[in-house]
Amino acid sequence: DVKVTQSSRYLVKRTGEKVFLECVQDMDHENMFWYRQDPGLGLRLIYFSYDVKMKEKGDIPEGYSVSREKKERFSLILESASTNQTSMYLCASSSMGDRGVSNSPLHFGNGTRLTVT
Amino acid sequence: KQEVTQIPAALSVPEGENLVLNCSFTDSAIYNLQWFRQDPGKGLTSLLLIQSSQREQTSGRLNASLDKSSGRSTLYIAASQPGDSATYLCAANDYKLSFGAGTTVTVRA
Repeated sequence: DVKVTQSSRYLVKRTGEKVFLECVQDMDHENMFWYRQDPGLGLRLIYFSYDVKMKEKGDIPEGYSVSREKKERFSLILESASTNQTSMYLCASSSMGDRGVSNSPLHFGNGTRLTVT
Repeated sequence: KQEVTQIPAALSVPEGENLVLNCSFTDSAIYNLQWFRQDPGKGLTSLLLIQSSQREQTSGRLNASLDKSSGRSTLYIAASQPGDSATYLCAANDYKLSFGAGTTVTVRA
């Protein structure tokens, strides 16, 4: 079974802090994703990566950056946390088909609920 | 930009009834469509993936159909059980996945 592990289930941080969210997958997947999920707004893609050191912006990248130094690990960084970044953050991975398209189901971690005060 | 809509937003049925969940998407040029289940406070669990060349996929009591030309997919859950209570989301993949807001299902014992 694919396992996607997010390092923290709950985090509380102060405004202005630099925050790191870590995600590790154990299935050698090429693609990794970071989403945030908010009531009434659904899941929104922040960033994704289709290879080590490669990244692409999703729909809402402002205020975030990512790092993928190893294939199994994808980190989301909040450079200076703000209260509007309070949310549930979900990491996912999948294998890659032709032309970089995910051709297999996305596997999600259990999420990190981040509160910024 | 791909827009994915799921109607209804919530559904309550007695145990044993069949469930029909609808998903529509605006751009039919998709590679695949995926259905997920989400339990409260948890991540998403993949249920079914339908490639663009397929019309349907089945797994146990679950069956999903895809009509690309009309921009629709339907998830059928046969003989519902209380354990099927969850939020069900669909996602259309046209290089990036676009998610619907989900349908929250309650199965009453």
